[in-house]
Amino acid sequence: GAVVSQHPSWVICKSGTSVKIECRSLDFQATTMFWYRQFPKQSLMLMATSNEGSKATYEQGVEKDKFLINHASLTLSTLTVTSAHPEDSSFYICSASQQGKWIYQPQHFGDGTRLSIL
Amino acid sequence: AQKITQTQPGMFVQEKEAVTLDCTYDTSDPSYGLFWYKQPSSGEMIFLIYQGSYDQQNATEGRYSLNFQKARKSANLVISASQLGDSAMYFCAMREGRGNQFYFGTGTSLTVIP
Repeated sequence: GAVVSQHPSWVICKSGTSVKIECRSLDFQATTMFWYRQFPKQSLMLMATSNEGSKATYEQGVEKDKFLINHASLTLSTLTVTSAHPEDSSFYICSASQQGKWIYQPQHFGDGTRLSIL
Repeated sequence: AQKITQTQPGMFVQEKEAVTLDCTYDTSDPSYGLFWYKQPSSGEMIFLIYQGSYDQQNATEGRYSLNFQKARKSANLVISASQLGDSAMYFCAMREGRGNQFYFGTGTSLTVIP
């Protein structure tokens, strides 16, 4: 149980393109999902917390207009990288926790999306 | 101050030997959870083991065990009988009772040598 699906796995596109990444919890409901960015050989950097039915909470330094997050249902959150540029190239990974006692619940991660902007 | 500290950027271990990956944490919240994740080169984050702040016994999951020393605020991961497939990045993480954010360490790259 507790499977999180993330699509696409790889994206290669031209500069100026907008890219949408989907994150789905397949067998549980997730009121909160998290979006991370990871550079090679570094740790995960939290970008934003996605809340179902409300606006996402962005971490300091993350551009809200560049990284649009929508959490339309209890099983789906999307991250759209708008007008992507080469510096947006990175590994993006989402996660979700099952509802319940927060401290006991691990975050379950999608497999990540490798984004390359040419 | 860093919430999670992993001081070993890289570790090597001989196949079939045990290895300990260090993790210290910092929190004033009496309720917290500690987690270890494995990230192979393919990128996915695999949940390995969990320890709650009120748990009296160290957590174990197969070849993984967590050496929880609350007074020292350490939560070291012990991998017994290392296998080649254990080569990966390992991240220690914490969630505090008062929030839902996970705090991750910088990770330790483990290489298992045949």
